[in-house]
Amino acid sequence: AQTVTQSQPEMSVQEAETVTLSCTYDTSENNYYLFWYKQPPSRQMILVIRQEAYKQQNATENRFSVNFQKAAKSFSLKISDSQLGDTAMYFCALHSGAGSYQLTFGKGTKLSVIP
Amino acid sequence: DAGITQSPRYKITETGRQVTLMCHQTWSHSYMFWYRQDLGHGLRLIYYSAAADITDKGEVPDGYVVSRSKTENFPLTLESATRSQTSVYFCASSESENLGTSGNRQFFGPGTRLTVL
Repeated sequence: AQTVTQSQPEMSVQEAETVTLSCTYDTSENNYYLFWYKQPPSRQMILVIRQEAYKQQNATENRFSVNFQKAAKSFSLKISDSQLGDTAMYFCALHSGAGSYQLTFGKGTKLSVIP
Repeated sequence: DAGITQSPRYKITETGRQVTLMCHQTWSHSYMFWYRQDLGHGLRLIYYSAAADITDKGEVPDGYVVSRSKTENFPLTLESATRSQTSVYFCASSESENLGTSGNRQFFGPGTRLTVL
């Protein structure tokens, strides 16, 4: 069984500052993929960023980047220059690749960006 | 260009009643999924479907029934609703099961907030 753990239920950050959301995971697979989803108050699930486990280079998408530590099974999300629109729930998710339909989610971190 | 839609967006029902949540996608994606979202649990998979007439249980299937007679529709039925089924329900779809394939990902609907009194 695969698990995803987000140990920070809530976080806050000042506008324009940088914040890091933590995620650890466990899987017995060698080929897997990690994702961060954003869920704003509208409830829509929005894919923020993805990381392939076989890639050593950390993924980046504009102000969003990850710190992927495969040996430690850690996958944190860094948001730079935080904006009010970044206020949302953030979910870390794990997918084990071919032959697996499952996307396993963490419990989420509620991020508030303070003006 | 509707993508993936869910109806109703909000539903209040009573214990013991049957309720059906609808999900419709316009991409002809093979795979469709139902999740429930509860505080402190994140999203948990209820059922999924690999194609029309092919469905399988996820992590929390008890109390739910699904069907998929057409590729684009994937209704979720609570045959006898219980208070523990009060939740937000998300439908999702993807072109294939392998989310590692370039360009493939799960697309989520807007969710249905269900309250069982």
